[in-house]
Amino acid sequence: KQEVTQIPAALSVPEGENLVLNCSFTDSAIYNLQWFRQDPGKGLTSLLLIQSSQREQTSGRLNASLDKSSGRSTLYIAASQPGDSATYLCAVKRMGMTTDSWGKFQFGAGTQVVVTP
Amino acid sequence: DAGITQSPRHKVTETGTPVTLRCHQTENHRYMYWYRQDPGHGLRLIHYSYGVKDTDKGEVSDGYSVSRSKTEDFLLTLESATSSQTSVYFCAIRRPGINEKLFFGSGTQLSVL
Repeated sequence: KQEVTQIPAALSVPEGENLVLNCSFTDSAIYNLQWFRQDPGKGLTSLLLIQSSQREQTSGRLNASLDKSSGRSTLYIAASQPGDSATYLCAVKRMGMTTDSWGKFQFGAGTQVVVTP
Repeated sequence: DAGITQSPRHKVTETGTPVTLRCHQTENHRYMYWYRQDPGHGLRLIHYSYGVKDTDKGEVSDGYSVSRSKTEDFLLTLESATSSQTSVYFCAIRRPGINEKLFFGSGTQLSVL
Protein backbone atom coordinates (compact mmCIF):
# COMPACT_ATOMS: atom_id res chain seq x y z
CA LYS A 1 0.00 0.00 0.00
CA GLN A 2 1.31 3.40 -0.97
CA GLU A 3 2.12 5.65 2.00
CA VAL A 4 2.55 9.39 1.42
CA THR A 5 4.20 11.50 4.12
CA GLN A 6 4.67 15.24 4.41
CA ILE A 7 7.14 16.53 6.98
CA PRO A 8 6.99 18.94 8.72
CA ALA A 9 3.29 19.19 9.50
CA ALA A 10 3.64 22.94 10.03
CA LEU A 11 6.14 25.59 9.03
CA SER A 12 6.51 29.32 9.72
CA VAL A 13 8.84 31.56 7.72
CA PRO A 14 9.39 35.30 7.41
CA GLU A 15 8.28 37.02 4.23
CA GLY A 16 10.85 36.85 1.45
CA GLU A 17 12.35 33.55 2.51
CA ASN A 18 12.20 30.60 0.13
CA LEU A 19 9.86 27.78 1.11
CA VAL A 20 10.84 24.13 0.76
CA LEU A 21 8.07 21.57 1.23
CA ASN A 22 8.68 17.84 1.21
CA CYS A 23 6.60 14.87 0.07
CA SER A 24 7.76 11.27 0.48
CA PHE A 25 6.13 8.12 -0.94
CA THR A 26 6.93 4.48 -0.38
CA ASP A 27 6.11 2.93 -3.76
CA SER A 28 8.09 4.33 -6.68
CA ALA A 29 5.69 2.87 -9.26
CA ILE A 30 3.80 6.10 -9.65
CA TYR A 31 2.02 7.57 -12.67
CA ASN A 32 2.16 11.18 -11.55
CA LEU A 33 2.38 13.42 -8.50
CA GLN A 34 0.32 16.52 -7.92
CA TRP A 35 0.75 19.42 -5.52
CA PHE A 36 -2.26 21.26 -4.12
CA ARG A 37 -2.92 24.33 -2.03
CA GLN A 38 -5.79 24.51 0.46
CA ASP A 39 -6.96 27.70 2.15
CA PRO A 40 -8.95 27.43 5.41
CA GLY A 41 -12.52 26.31 4.80
CA LYS A 42 -11.92 25.85 1.09
CA GLY A 43 -11.37 23.03 -1.36
CA LEU A 44 -8.04 22.07 -2.86
CA THR A 45 -6.53 23.98 -5.75
CA SER A 46 -4.12 22.22 -8.09
CA LEU A 47 -0.72 23.90 -8.32
CA LEU A 48 1.55 21.60 -10.29
CA LEU A 49 1.46 18.09 -11.71
CA ILE A 50 4.60 16.11 -12.51
CA GLN A 51 4.46 13.05 -14.73
CA SER A 52 6.57 10.06 -13.68
CA SER A 53 8.85 10.66 -16.68
CA GLN A 54 9.58 14.25 -15.64
CA ARG A 55 12.03 15.54 -13.08
CA GLU A 56 10.48 18.95 -12.46
CA GLN A 57 7.71 21.38 -13.28
CA THR A 58 7.67 25.13 -12.90
CA SER A 59 4.93 27.72 -12.68
CA GLY A 60 5.89 31.26 -11.75
CA ARG A 61 7.48 31.23 -8.29
CA LEU A 62 6.68 27.54 -7.85
CA ASN A 63 8.97 24.69 -8.78
CA ALA A 64 8.29 21.04 -8.05
CA SER A 65 10.90 18.31 -8.42
CA LEU A 66 10.44 14.55 -8.50
CA ASP A 67 12.94 11.80 -7.66
CA LYS A 68 11.15 8.48 -8.06
CA SER A 69 14.12 6.36 -7.09
CA SER A 70 14.28 7.96 -3.65
CA GLY A 71 10.50 8.35 -3.36
CA ARG A 72 10.58 12.12 -2.91
CA SER A 73 9.11 15.28 -4.32
CA THR A 74 9.92 18.81 -3.25
CA LEU A 75 7.88 21.96 -3.79
CA TYR A 76 9.90 25.18 -3.80
CA ILE A 77 8.18 28.54 -3.44
CA ALA A 78 10.54 31.42 -4.12
CA ALA A 79 10.41 34.70 -2.24
CA SER A 80 7.45 33.77 -0.04
CA GLN A 81 4.62 36.24 0.58
CA PRO A 82 1.93 36.36 3.28
CA GLY A 83 -0.55 35.31 0.59
CA ASP A 84 1.29 31.99 0.33
CA SER A 85 0.02 31.08 3.80
CA ALA A 86 -2.04 27.91 3.34
CA THR A 87 -1.83 24.15 3.67
CA TYR A 88 0.03 22.37 0.89
CA LEU A 89 -0.77 18.76 0.05
CA CYS A 90 0.78 16.30 -2.36
CA ALA A 91 -1.02 13.37 -3.99
CA VAL A 92 0.39 10.38 -5.83
CA LYS A 93 -1.35 8.38 -8.54
CA ARG A 94 -0.24 4.80 -8.80
CA MET A 95 0.92 3.14 -11.95
CA GLY A 96 -1.14 0.19 -13.10
CA MET A 97 -4.05 -0.91 -15.22
CA THR A 98 -6.08 -2.87 -12.71
CA THR A 99 -9.28 -1.50 -11.24
CA ASP A 100 -7.48 -1.38 -7.93
CA SER A 101 -5.21 1.34 -9.21
CA TRP A 102 -7.35 3.06 -11.82
CA GLY A 103 -8.05 6.61 -10.87
CA LYS A 104 -6.86 6.35 -7.28
CA PHE A 105 -4.76 9.03 -5.69
CA GLN A 106 -3.02 8.77 -2.31
CA PHE A 107 -2.74 12.02 -0.37
CA GLY A 108 -0.30 13.22 2.24
CA ALA A 109 -1.66 14.94 5.36
CA GLY A 110 -0.26 18.29 4.25
CA THR A 111 2.12 20.96 5.53
CA GLN A 112 0.54 24.07 7.02
CA VAL A 113 2.57 27.13 6.05
CA VAL A 114 2.48 30.56 7.69
CA VAL A 115 4.41 33.40 6.09
CA THR A 116 4.84 36.29 8.53
CA PRO A 117 5.14 39.89 7.29
CA ASP B 1 -13.04 26.74 -12.01
CA ALA B 2 -13.95 23.16 -12.89
CA GLY B 3 -17.70 23.67 -12.45
CA ILE B 4 -18.11 21.48 -9.37
CA THR B 5 -20.92 22.21 -6.95
CA GLN B 6 -21.39 20.41 -3.65
CA SER B 7 -24.60 20.57 -1.65
CA PRO B 8 -25.31 21.19 1.08
CA ARG B 9 -22.28 23.20 2.23
CA HIS B 10 -23.05 22.54 5.89
CA LYS B 11 -25.21 19.96 7.59
CA VAL B 12 -25.91 18.95 11.18
CA THR B 13 -27.68 15.67 11.71
CA GLU B 14 -28.35 13.12 14.41
CA THR B 15 -26.82 9.70 14.86
CA GLY B 16 -28.73 7.01 13.01
CA THR B 17 -30.27 9.20 10.33
CA PRO B 18 -29.49 8.77 6.64
CA VAL B 19 -27.71 11.63 4.91
CA THR B 20 -27.13 12.26 1.21
CA LEU B 21 -24.50 14.63 -0.16
CA ARG B 22 -24.60 15.74 -3.76
CA CYS B 23 -21.84 16.57 -6.19
CA HIS B 24 -22.71 18.16 -9.52
CA GLN B 25 -20.29 18.86 -12.36
CA THR B 26 -20.90 20.84 -15.51
CA GLU B 27 -18.09 19.40 -17.67
CA ASN B 28 -19.23 15.76 -18.16
CA HIS B 29 -16.00 14.21 -16.94
CA ARG B 30 -15.94 10.47 -16.50
CA TYR B 31 -14.07 10.17 -13.19
CA MET B 32 -15.59 11.54 -10.00
CA TYR B 33 -14.43 11.01 -6.42
CA TRP B 34 -15.63 11.40 -2.85
CA TYR B 35 -13.03 12.08 -0.16
CA ARG B 36 -13.23 12.87 3.50
CA GLN B 37 -10.73 15.10 5.26
CA ASP B 38 -9.91 14.76 8.92
CA PRO B 39 -7.14 16.40 10.97
CA GLY B 40 -3.92 14.41 10.76
CA HIS B 41 -5.25 12.08 8.05
CA GLY B 42 -5.18 14.17 4.93
CA LEU B 43 -7.74 13.16 2.33
CA ARG B 44 -9.00 9.60 2.26
CA LEU B 45 -10.91 8.11 -0.64
CA ILE B 46 -14.42 6.91 0.14
CA HIS B 47 -15.74 5.90 -3.29
CA TYR B 48 -15.10 6.83 -6.85
CA SER B 49 -16.87 6.48 -10.17
CA TYR B 50 -15.54 5.89 -13.66
CA GLY B 51 -18.83 6.30 -15.47
CA VAL B 52 -22.59 6.15 -15.12
CA LYS B 53 -23.47 3.25 -12.81
CA ASP B 54 -19.74 2.34 -12.54
CA THR B 55 -18.43 2.85 -9.03
CA ASP B 56 -15.78 1.34 -6.81
CA LYS B 57 -14.78 1.46 -3.17
CA GLY B 58 -11.97 3.47 -1.71
CA GLU B 59 -10.04 2.91 1.49
CA VAL B 60 -12.77 4.11 3.91
CA SER B 61 -16.00 2.96 2.26
CA ASP B 62 -17.67 1.24 5.24
CA GLY B 63 -20.95 2.96 6.12
CA TYR B 64 -21.11 4.82 2.80
CA SER B 65 -22.80 4.13 -0.50
CA VAL B 66 -22.77 6.04 -3.77
CA SER B 67 -24.85 6.33 -6.88
CA ARG B 68 -24.25 7.80 -10.31
CA SER B 69 -27.29 7.68 -12.55
CA LYS B 70 -26.19 10.66 -14.65
CA THR B 71 -22.73 11.75 -15.74
CA GLU B 72 -23.05 15.08 -13.99
CA ASP B 73 -24.23 13.88 -10.56
CA PHE B 74 -22.45 11.73 -7.97
CA LEU B 75 -24.31 11.13 -4.72
CA LEU B 76 -22.78 10.01 -1.44
CA THR B 77 -25.12 8.46 1.15
CA LEU B 78 -24.37 7.80 4.78
CA GLU B 79 -26.78 4.99 5.41
CA SER B 80 -27.00 5.52 9.17
CA ALA B 81 -24.83 8.41 10.27
CA THR B 82 -22.42 7.93 13.18
CA SER B 83 -20.34 10.46 15.09
CA SER B 84 -17.18 9.06 13.46
CA GLN B 85 -18.51 10.31 10.14
CA THR B 86 -18.30 13.91 11.29
CA SER B 87 -15.89 15.31 8.73
CA VAL B 88 -15.43 17.56 5.76
CA TYR B 89 -16.42 15.82 2.54
CA PHE B 90 -14.93 16.78 -0.80
CA CYS B 91 -15.98 15.84 -4.27
CA ALA B 92 -13.43 15.87 -7.08
CA ILE B 93 -13.33 15.31 -10.80
CA ARG B 94 -10.40 14.26 -12.91
CA ARG B 95 -9.88 15.86 -16.27
CA PRO B 96 -8.74 13.43 -18.98
CA GLY B 97 -5.52 13.63 -20.90
CA ILE B 98 -1.87 13.43 -20.00
CA ASN B 99 -2.19 16.20 -17.43
CA GLU B 100 -5.09 14.56 -15.69
CA LYS B 101 -5.35 16.91 -12.78
CA LEU B 102 -7.84 16.61 -9.95
CA PHE B 103 -10.23 19.48 -9.34
CA PHE B 104 -12.18 19.81 -6.12
CA GLY B 105 -15.47 21.22 -4.95
CA SER B 106 -15.69 23.54 -1.96
CA GLY B 107 -16.61 20.78 0.46
CA THR B 108 -19.46 19.87 2.80
CA GLN B 109 -18.97 20.22 6.54
CA LEU B 110 -21.00 17.43 8.16
CA SER B 111 -21.57 17.20 11.90
CA VAL B 112 -23.21 14.09 13.34
CA LEU B 113 -24.45 14.65 16.90
